[in-house]
Amino acid sequence: DSGVTQTPKHLITATGQRVTLRCSPRSGDLSVYWYQQSLDQGLQFLIQYYNGEERAKGNILERFSAQQFPDLHSELNLSSLELGDSALYFCASSVTGTVNTEAFFGQGTRLTVV
Amino acid sequence: DQQVKQNSPSLSVQEGRISILNCDYTNSMFDYFLWYKKYPAEGPTFLISISSIKDKNEDGRFTVFLNKSAKHLSLHIVPSQPGDSAVYFCAARSGSNYKLTFGKGTLLTVNP
Repeated sequence: DSGVTQTPKHLITATGQRVTLRCSPRSGDLSVYWYQQSLDQGLQFLIQYYNGEERAKGNILERFSAQQFPDLHSELNLSSLELGDSALYFCASSVTGTVNTEAFFGQGTRLTVV
Repeated sequence: DQQVKQNSPSLSVQEGRISILNCDYTNSMFDYFLWYKKYPAEGPTFLISISSIKDKNEDGRFTVFLNKSAKHLSLHIVPSQPGDSAVYFCAARSGSNYKLTFGKGTLLTVNP
């Protein structure tokens, strides 16, 4: 158990809909990262938040947005869903600011768009 | 442009033998490298890491080697066990940017 909690584990929704994925980081971790893993792809970095503020952006579509709340949990919002958005979405957390610390991953949310 | 490449999608070894997983990178700004292991239906689990100031780091059966001039790193597992069967991801980051850039992974199968 990495200490990172993601909900829900599975999500099936229709094209055009909007969903929210939730992540609770490990206790004490200030940074939250979101990654997408599509079929035949490695993990693609989407976005990072640190202590409530956006820190870095990767290959995140404009239809996607995220935020980190004062209690440090994070939500990833996916809207106008397309079939190609079907993927595993992972959240990870780390203690940013400490040299050479690794990120710990949650179990992921499997999103299926039908 | 894939900055971290794992050119072998899969690797099969016998139990007790050495497993060598390879990873190449193109971004010379990368200064910290990590290996993650992933079982089906689970998130990646941190395995071992190495800073660019070192060329080797060892943790039990796992050793990571870094060749900066070749922009290449490898993970050695000795001896390999059936429980090591998983997808192994190589990842890298640069400086204070904690975003990780991942390779596509190598599926390791250790046969009893």
